[in-house]
Amino acid sequence: KQEVTQIPAALSVPEGENLVLNCSFTDSAIYNLQWFRQDPGKGLTSLLLIQSSQREQTSGRLNASLDKSSGRSTLYIAASQPGDSATYLCAVVNSGGYQKVTFGTGTKLQVIP
Amino acid sequence: DAGVIQSPRHEVTEMGQEVTLRCKPISGHNSLFWYRQTMMRGLELLIYFNNNVPIDDSGMPEDRFSAKMPNASFSTLKIQPSEPRDSAVYFCASTRPGGGSTDTQYFGPGTRLTVL
Repeated sequence: KQEVTQIPAALSVPEGENLVLNCSFTDSAIYNLQWFRQDPGKGLTSLLLIQSSQREQTSGRLNASLDKSSGRSTLYIAASQPGDSATYLCAVVNSGGYQKVTFGTGTKLQVIP
Repeated sequence: DAGVIQSPRHEVTEMGQEVTLRCKPISGHNSLFWYRQTMMRGLELLIYFNNNVPIDDSGMPEDRFSAKMPNASFSTLKIQPSEPRDSAVYFCASTRPGGGSTDTQYFGPGTRLTVL
């Protein structure tokens, strides 16, 4: 059974800092990995999707990397802003079978002005 | 596009009552997911439909939960009878044709359910 862990559970940084969020998964047989953002009281919004054959994906100030063999992904946020404050979740899609999606528990980020 | 639509946004009910949550996926999407989110267990997949057919319902907690997708534009999640431990935020998500569970999921705003 795939297990997805995100550490730390919460993170507080001053505005302007570069930061890294971590995601670990136990089964390396994955199809892809996605990073989502969730604002309080809202649904999830997809940020980046990395296919298993890729090493990283970039969108603006966000960069996600994937090391499938070690079961890890990181989300790098450059020059953080107060508007980046949210909970960030990673989700792993297993390869084989019907490709089940498993979400991590998330990292709650607060960027202090 | 209006995005994924869920109703109601908030539901407060008493233990033992029947609860029905509704979801309208994005037009043209043919995969639909129901999730439950709690502080203790995070985001859990309850059931996944593809082309209106349930593909995986292994996450449905027990027989009190049931889900239907009578057509491509509507799905319901029913809890009967409801219990306090069912209190959570329930999300619906959909993906584009051909994407199934591997494509980017578009989430609705969720229904916050409180069972007293």
